[in-house]
Amino acid sequence: DQQVKQNSPSLSVQEGRISILNCDYTNSMFDYFLWYKKYPAEGPTFLISISSIKDKNEDGRFTVFLNKSAKHLSLHIVPSQPGDSAVYFCAASEGYNQGGKLIFGQGTELSVKP
Amino acid sequence: NAGVTQTPKFRILKIGQSMTLQCAQDMNHNYMYWYRQDPGMGLKLIYYSVGAGITDKGEVPNGYNVSRSTTEDFPLRLELAAPSQTSVYFCASSYGQTGSPLHFGNGTRLTVT
Repeated sequence: DQQVKQNSPSLSVQEGRISILNCDYTNSMFDYFLWYKKYPAEGPTFLISISSIKDKNEDGRFTVFLNKSAKHLSLHIVPSQPGDSAVYFCAASEGYNQGGKLIFGQGTELSVKP
Repeated sequence: NAGVTQTPKFRILKIGQSMTLQCAQDMNHNYMYWYRQDPGMGLKLIYYSVGAGITDKGEVPNGYNVSRSTTEDFPLRLELAAPSQTSVYFCASSYGQTGSPLHFGNGTRLTVT
């Protein structure tokens, strides 16, 4: 059973426009959500996170929104740049007692065209 | 500060062979993890460790073993390799608190034929 789902395998956006990546989850015990970015032949790198007590977190061009009632989060990138082209993974964790383990979605490949 | 270092980068194994994937971190993180990523899929947790001498199973532990004798190292052992273990393996480390970001190595691409 996939607890974290990214239903769009790919997304193509024009440079300068907004990119919106979506993620849904089923486990109501998740209390922390993270986004990772992955370039080919590299490991994922941490991008931004949000605690379940918040509904928005911003870091520069990146904003994550959390809708707990819908069990949905999204990552907004504004403005999108060609260097943002990568695979983006949504991940969730269930709390300290779970040893910091993360459950990952399948990933969305973002392509930003110049 | 190298972060998380994984060796080898690539390996081809024959069915039934064994090997150890090495992972070392220099960030003094207590928590370490092994994930695998199959094509088109997310990362799935194989094993994790909350400190030297302590390990526990993740979502997909069958066919693997781990040990954690030091804070820095967390090797993953494959016994009797099978084609289903063809994957990219990522080691990661973190401070372990809720929401603490994982720092990943660059992965080992393993093919079992």
